[in-house]
Amino acid sequence: SYELTQPPSVSVSPGQTARITCSGDALPRKYAYWYQQKSGQAPVLVIYEDRKRPSGIPERFSGSSSGTMATLTISGAQVEDEADYYCYSIDSSGSRGVFGGGTKLTVL
Amino acid sequence: EEQLVESGGGLVQPGGSLRLSCAVSGFTFSRDWMSWVRQAPGKGLEWVAIINQDGSEKYYVDSVKGRFTISRDNAKNSLHLQMNSLRAEEEAIYYCARVLINYYDSSGWEGYFDYWGQGTLVTVSS
Repeated sequence: SYELTQPPSVSVSPGQTARITCSGDALPRKYAYWYQQKSGQAPVLVIYEDRKRPSGIPERFSGSSSGTMATLTISGAQVEDEADYYCYSIDSSGSRGVFGGGTKLTVL
Repeated sequence: EEQLVESGGGLVQPGGSLRLSCAVSGFTFSRDWMSWVRQAPGKGLEWVAIINQDGSEKYYVDSVKGRFTISRDNAKNSLHLQMNSLRAEEEAIYYCARVLINYYDSSGWEGYFDYWGQGTLVTVSS
């Protein structure tokens, strides 16, 4: 079955740039999406279609994708950005949604 | 304001059944694809199932095929997930979510989730 691979954890100091990667064989042909989930809350969409930012999401959140890897970048990470981040995409058959395993971002 | 409110979770024995519901308001339910996503305690998100606007197209993660059924009632703005033969490893918070579809054709579908409910907890234990 199709998998999206993320690092389990990323740690940065406040004000630094955090980069979270997501690798998958179908990403050259399928969009990547990114969700932020804070403890005890439902996920929130922060990036869609590789690089687009929904309204209300701070500009410090950006996305990119090249080949089999998509990247979520948080420029100038803030303490309130501490959360689990999940990438999401569709498998190559176009019939199943798939989430990455999630990355715990620590900002301290 | 868009609202999705799940219900129907609870304690069920392994092998048992449960029917989840999601009541929707604040957007035109009948125009949108809808989905269920689950999250086991302390684990990551897992996509479970998706349904198109009129219920004629349904897709499932392989692990639930033949046991779970997604359905909808557009007259009542509600989404459902019938879960049979539940397993201990399916204990999770089950979220319903609205799907924004990028495309759907003979090659499949691509979409993502913009609005989510707060989830309902399903506990599978004897």
